[in-house]
Amino acid sequence: GENVEQHPSTLSVQEGDSAVIKCTYSDSASNYFPWYKQELGKGPQLIIDIRSNVGEKKDQRIAVTLNKTAKHFSLHITETQPEDSAVYFCAASRGGLSGFQKLVFGTGTRLLVSP
Amino acid sequence: DAGVTQSPTHLIKTRGQQVTLRCSPKSGHDTVSWYQQALGQGPQFIFQYYEEEERQRGNFPDRFSGHQFPNYSSELNVNALLLGDSALYLCASSLGSTNEKLFFGSGTQLSVL
Repeated sequence: GENVEQHPSTLSVQEGDSAVIKCTYSDSASNYFPWYKQELGKGPQLIIDIRSNVGEKKDQRIAVTLNKTAKHFSLHITETQPEDSAVYFCAASRGGLSGFQKLVFGTGTRLLVSP
Repeated sequence: DAGVTQSPTHLIKTRGQQVTLRCSPKSGHDTVSWYQQALGQGPQFIFQYYEEEERQRGNFPDRFSGHQFPNYSSELNVNALLLGDSALYLCASSLGSTNEKLFFGSGTQLSVL
């Protein structure tokens, strides 16, 4: 079945450093790749997403890159701040005109940004 | 603009009991999906409701069932609870069954003793 692997499981950086989280998906039909941030006691919050017809997308300090050939996608956070500390999840979906397909999530990366 | 709301926030049950969790979607949304998040894991898809019907289902037994009401709110029912059902249950809403942009609630933490 579909599988999404996520690395690393934990990531500690100093404030101002960059952080990179990587994911690999197994279903070559996947065409939608969102990233979610989950803070303690809250549900996941969508922070950025990318579709398979785009190689890179940026939103201020956050960027996502996609390599369809290798079935890899990555989240890049620049100039990290303590408030970026949270658990980040990647996900993949093969949704389309045939109907919504489920999001398959990675196992999460706990990011800790130290002041 | 109200976001996705879930109730209750916490629940404690014993093995064999039944539980009902509730979800109100974000204002303007008509599709509700339910996910189970075990401790330290990513959310796993249970099922999706659109137009009051179950549209997609993940790899969960029939003990897990749901319902969607005309006002788009939804319930998740779990029968014959097992210890392994202890998890955070997340509701997510979207506009349209083909829209992958999901907005999640804060979840219901279910503990089965």
